[in-house]
Amino acid sequence: DTGVSQDPRHKITKRGQNVTFRCDPISEHNRLYWYRQTLGQGPEFLTYFQNEAQLEKSRLLSDRFSAERPKGSFSTLEIQRTEQGDSAMYLCASSLSGWLAGGGSYNEQFFGPGTRLTVL
Amino acid sequence: LAKTTQPISMDSYEGQEVNITCSHNNIATNDYITWYQQFPSQGPRFIIQGYKTKVTNEVASLFIPADRKSSTLSLPRVSLSDTAVYYCLVGETGGGNKLTFGTGTQLKVEL
Repeated sequence: DTGVSQDPRHKITKRGQNVTFRCDPISEHNRLYWYRQTLGQGPEFLTYFQNEAQLEKSRLLSDRFSAERPKGSFSTLEIQRTEQGDSAMYLCASSLSGWLAGGGSYNEQFFGPGTRLTVL
Repeated sequence: LAKTTQPISMDSYEGQEVNITCSHNNIATNDYITWYQQFPSQGPRFIIQGYKTKVTNEVASLFIPADRKSSTLSLPRVSLSDTAVYYCLVGETGGGNKLTFGTGTQLKVEL
């Protein structure tokens, strides 16, 4: 396994169009995250799956955004009626939860290369 | 989630040791300190994680004083390829574990 992959790497669309991004996590990872990053800022959390269940959504994830992870493997992020403010890098990460020796849980996240969205 | 404060940018030269300090005055008992590195047009990459005292791996060391209100990422003998943004994150590692990134520290390494 070569890591987290995302497709497409770049997407240019016109305002009002729908777009869908795909993320393939590291195969044995049970957790999958979506983040959004704009220029000069750190990534911002959007949503999180454990297996196929979507357990948390940020308030940044408006009703135009929907994410799925149907079989607990790959995930899709769809943006409907895109707006210019949606232009950003969309990052996917995956992790396998575990436990640190001596107590405490461990959750290193592995990020994909991202999908850069440009809304014209 | 504990808020972190770190320098916006730092400059260094190849072969130097770089120390990036992060302040997290309201860190909670269950919080861990994690550092990520990000190159342009790539996703962040985990560097190191710790709870207290000192942690060292093959790429960096993390120093955490007893009060845990700050931490220092130490990069030994940096090279041009270490030019990147470095993020300090503080939070519980359990549960959903969403990561909260600040604006990070832009490290520039020159010859």
